[in-house]
Amino acid sequence: ILNVEQSPQSLHVQEGDSTNFTCSFPSSNFYALHWYRWETAKSPEALFVMTLNGDEKKKGRISATLNTKEGYSYLYIKGSQPEDSATYLCAFIGSAGNQFYFGTGTSLTVIP
Amino acid sequence: EAQVTQNPRYLITVTGKKLTVTCSQNMNHEYMSWYRQDPGLGLRQIYYSMNVEVTDKGDVPEGYKVSRKEKRNFPLILESPSPNQTSLYFCASSLGLSPYEQYFGPGTRLTVT
Repeated sequence: ILNVEQSPQSLHVQEGDSTNFTCSFPSSNFYALHWYRWETAKSPEALFVMTLNGDEKKKGRISATLNTKEGYSYLYIKGSQPEDSATYLCAFIGSAGNQFYFGTGTSLTVIP
Repeated sequence: EAQVTQNPRYLITVTGKKLTVTCSQNMNHEYMSWYRQDPGLGLRQIYYSMNVEVTDKGDVPEGYKVSRKEKRNFPLILESPSPNQTSLYFCASSLGLSPYEQYFGPGTRLTVT
């Protein structure tokens, strides 16, 4: 079983603050990294799929970077809004197989 | 509307009574997968399927079976459910493994007493 770690486990920020979280994964045999947003009582929704070292993706106020050589990805949220409150999950796929390995997520609460 | 559907959404059952959770997608996706979500453990992959008649075990396949006879359907079968299979289950699908994003179903909350 591969180890995918996310930090911090939870985060409370004020509306308007910018924030970031980390996803750490094995640096060898990398194939892809996914980021998902999961709101309470809903299903996870895809944010980004990242495949190349140095990848940077952006969707509105949310962006992500990828470093496959050192085995980490950062997710950034600029100017957090209450509607950004959710759990953010990352999922690693190794080149050795076709499985997804999810981290336990970072729970973000944005306080109005 | 492009979607992944699961049924039932909620189920309470007793130990040993066989059950099936259905999953269907209307996006012509090749890759389908089942996950379970337990507090503190994150999403764990149970089984996945790369295409029709091609299925493989994920991290936690014990006590589960799947089949992929048609591209759109990927049912999860619990032959003899036990209380440790009480969990929230998600089905997901994607065009392929990557760089394609997964689309998740609404989830099935299963309680085994």
